Amino acid sequence: EPEVTQTPSHQVTQMGQEVILRCVPISNHLYFYWYRQILGQKVEFLVSFYNNEISEKSEIFDDQFSVERPDGSNFTLKIRSTKLEDSAMYFCASSVEGGNIQYFGAGTRLSVL
Amino acid sequence: GQQVMQIPQYQHVQEGEDFTTYCNSSTTLSNIQWYKQRPGGHPVFLIQLVKSGEVKKQKRLTFQFGEAKKNSSLHITATQTTDVGTYFCAGGRSVSNYQLIWGAGTKLIIKP
Repeated sequence: EPEVTQTPSHQVTQMGQEVILRCVPISNHLYFYWYRQILGQKVEFLVSFYNNEISEKSEIFDDQFSVERPDGSNFTLKIRSTKLEDSAMYFCASSVEGGNIQYFGAGTRLSVL
Repeated sequence: GQQVMQIPQYQHVQEGEDFTTYCNSSTTLSNIQWYKQRPGGHPVFLIQLVKSGEVKKQKRLTFQFGEAKKNSSLHITATQTTDVGTYFCAGGRSVSNYQLIWGAGTKLIIKP
């Protein structure tokens, strides 16, 4: 069964460093999403992406965050200058259409020291 | 802003007892989706409800969408250890806005 894959599974970084989290959405899906989940808390929407541009973003997704689809398969989330409070699990998801079932990757655990 | 409130935060049950989680939105939703997240895992889609008053069943799970499309519930009959996890509802804002507004989740804990 097709799945969303995310790499790395765990990323440790120093405060102030840039990180790039990578995702490969399901191949025929058109909508891509990033979510964040701080340990034990709710899933928080960050951004959605369609047709090579951001379609929606939350107030969490400030200037420190950016997304990119650098080629036909990868979808990346960049955090320019990480803060301690960026430590969380980051999930990528994709869907065939907007508002449709979202398939989640296994997540990348980001630890900012 | 638009919010989806989900209660309770935790529910401890004996195996075999029933479990229910409720979601309430401050505004009308276009649809509601339910996801399950096992401990250490990622959210997995369970079901989507679109119509006012809709009820759907998946084996021991019953999902309801309120008449006003502002509330929803998930009921599990006769819980099993495999049901353990956190259940999230996620509401669609509108037909043209695809962002899902997530509830805080209800953690189902089976008492030993």
